[in-house]
Amino acid sequence: KAGVTQTPRYLIKTRGQQVTLSCSPISGHRSVSWYQQTPGQGLQFLFEYFSETQRNKGNFPGRFSGRQFSNSRSEMNVSTLELGDSALYLCASRVISSGANVLTFGAGSRLTVL
Amino acid sequence: AQSVTQLGSHVSVSEGALVLLRCNYSSSVPPYLFWYVQYPNQGLQLLLKYTSAATLVKGINGFEAEFKKSETSFHLTKPSAHMSDAAEYFCAVSDNNAGNMLTFGGGTRLMVKP
Repeated sequence: KAGVTQTPRYLIKTRGQQVTLSCSPISGHRSVSWYQQTPGQGLQFLFEYFSETQRNKGNFPGRFSGRQFSNSRSEMNVSTLELGDSALYLCASRVISSGANVLTFGAGSRLTVL
Repeated sequence: AQSVTQLGSHVSVSEGALVLLRCNYSSSVPPYLFWYVQYPNQGLQLLLKYTSAATLVKGINGFEAEFKKSETSFHLTKPSAHMSDAAEYFCAVSDNNAGNMLTFGGGTRLMVKP
């Protein structure tokens, strides 16, 4: 069973540009969450999507957005990049069930903003 | 609001020695607690989770954690460290059984000396 796939793995952008990151969840997982990991702020929840709808959102500015497609694949977008957006962006998927779910994380997309 | 504190950003042990990584949480509701491990250039892998079924939780790779409500702690232990245990470990809390919207601690980097 394939894991959570994130693309691209590494990318470099300059301030003011925008970036789109992609996440393909594990087959059968309908929820996709995004996290930002930086040395200073650690791991922070960005948002979660289920059934193509944003279900939860963390405390990030509107420059951070996302969407989910009918096949559960998700993308996140960051517009008007700032130096502080340099981070590892992790995507995680989970099944939706009544039991205790766990997140399965991808390897991440490492964004460097120059 | 929930929070997680991991005491000690770096822990160094000798191979074969006891591993103890500390985690204290704050939650206004019964918490769901998780330990994740992150190896270099990889995403997060779930070690174990506490969901109120048992206070002593056994995970993968010989790790276990004990939930102590009176101490609001969920420390991670392993009786005998192996070189392959060197990684960064994250404690996380969720306020629901879905295990989404995790709040992470700052992480503890475990170093294992030969």
